[in-house]
Amino acid sequence: GGIITQTPKFLIGQEGQKLTLKCQQNFNHDTMYWYRQDSGKGLRLIYYSITENDLQKGDLSEGYDASREKKSSFSLTVTSAQKNEMAVFLCASSPWGGADTGQLYFGEGSKLTVL
Amino acid sequence: GEKVEQHESTLSVREGDSAVINCTYTDTASSYFPWYKQEAGKSLHFVIDIRSNVDRKQSQRLIVLLDKKAKRFSLHITATQPEDSAIYFCAASNSGSWQLIFGSGTQLTVMP
Repeated sequence: GGIITQTPKFLIGQEGQKLTLKCQQNFNHDTMYWYRQDSGKGLRLIYYSITENDLQKGDLSEGYDASREKKSSFSLTVTSAQKNEMAVFLCASSPWGGADTGQLYFGEGSKLTVL
Repeated sequence: GEKVEQHESTLSVREGDSAVINCTYTDTASSYFPWYKQEAGKSLHFVIDIRSNVDRKQSQRLIVLLDKKAKRFSLHITATQPEDSAIYFCAASNSGSWQLIFGSGTQLTVMP
C-alpha cells in the first residue's frame, strides 16, 4: 500500500501572505489533485496534474498556483491569503487516466486559517 | 458545467436500520458515480462506485442505485452500525474527464 502525506497539517497565515502546501505520494501514481473543502460545500477542484511538469486548472484555480516538479510531489501556493479565510485543502492521487478510471486516494488534509 | 446536489445534509438512523442518501446530477454525459466516506477528523476514502452501464451495484452492506432518466443516484447502507457514522460524499464524472464533481456531503449519524 501507499500513502499520501500533506504538510503542514495546520497553517496559520496573515492576510496577503503567500502560503505553500506540499503533498507527497508513494503510490507511483501519475495523476495528482488539489481540492478545497469548505464546510457545507463539498470539495472543489483547484488544480490537477496528469504527469510530472503538467498543470491543469480546475474550477477554483483563481488565487492559487501549483507546481509538479516530480512525479511524487505536488505543491499548491495560495498567492495572497484572504482575511478570515478558513478551509481544508486535500491532496489526492489516482493511478492514471481520467477521474472515471478508478478511485482517488486522499491525504489527511491541510487546514488553513488566515488571521 | 456539471452540478451534483446532495439532498440530505444530515441523516440520523437507529442502529440496524437502513440509511439512504440521495444525489442528483445535471450533465446527461456523466457516466461514473463514486461515493466517498469521511470519518471524523480523517480524510476521505472511497467506498463504492457505479457506472452508467448498470443501474445497481452492491458491495456487502452498501447498495448504489442509478436512475439515468431522472439523473439520480443513491447510496443505501443496510443494517447500519455505529462505525457507519461519517460524512458521505457523492460525486460524478464524465467519461474521460479529469474532473470529479462532488456533492456537499451528508452527515450520517447511527444511534445505538
